[in-house]
Amino acid sequence: NAGVTQTPKFQVLKTGQSMTLQCAQDMNHEYMSWYRQDPGMGLRLIHYSVGAGITDQGEVPNGYNVSRSTTEDFPLRLLSAAPSQTSVYFCASSYRDRPLETQYFGPGTRLLVL
Amino acid sequence: AQSVTQLDSHVSVSEGTPVLLRCNYSSSYSPSLFWYVQHPNKGLQLLLKYTSTATLVKGINGFEAEFKKSETSFHLTKPSAHMSDAAEYFCVVTPWNTGFQKLVFGTGTRLLVSP
Repeated sequence: NAGVTQTPKFQVLKTGQSMTLQCAQDMNHEYMSWYRQDPGMGLRLIHYSVGAGITDQGEVPNGYNVSRSTTEDFPLRLLSAAPSQTSVYFCASSYRDRPLETQYFGPGTRLLVL
Repeated sequence: AQSVTQLDSHVSVSEGTPVLLRCNYSSSYSPSLFWYVQHPNKGLQLLLKYTSTATLVKGINGFEAEFKKSETSFHLTKPSAHMSDAAEYFCVVTPWNTGFQKLVFGTGTRLLVSP
């Protein structure tokens, strides 16, 4: 198993550009989520999905869009990048309805918006 | 709302001395609690998790944590620090009553280990 994979590892954008951060998992996990990590703030939930076709907002959803057309993939779209979206983004996955199950994290995508 | 407070942003220890990273939680329900570790430029790795079957939880790499309901605490400890323990540690809570894991992270504690 490759686990949770994220691409790209690093990206530089100009303000106003759009892009998609890719996340994929091969563990047949129903639950997938996106977090952003900023210094001194821990990780904050952006969006999550409990299964294909179902998504919902987390704590900081503004400026981001998600979709879940397959169980394996959960892309995060930045519609119009802003410097405030400079961050490290982590994707995570786990089985649904198993609150004690380990949640697996990807290696992260470091995004710089100029 | 569920939350965790990590009481120290940085903790410095010498190699071979004990480690204590403090975490207090706030939850209306019986929570699930976790400690994750993040080494520099790496993803997050689960250290241990509280399953409500035992108040003292043992994790990987010699770490353990004790759930104290009366103090609403879940402090992480290790008897003897190793240089490889230098990393950032996150205390995490997820409410038991949700059907899925909406993890709520603390702000993190950076552990520095000196020779």
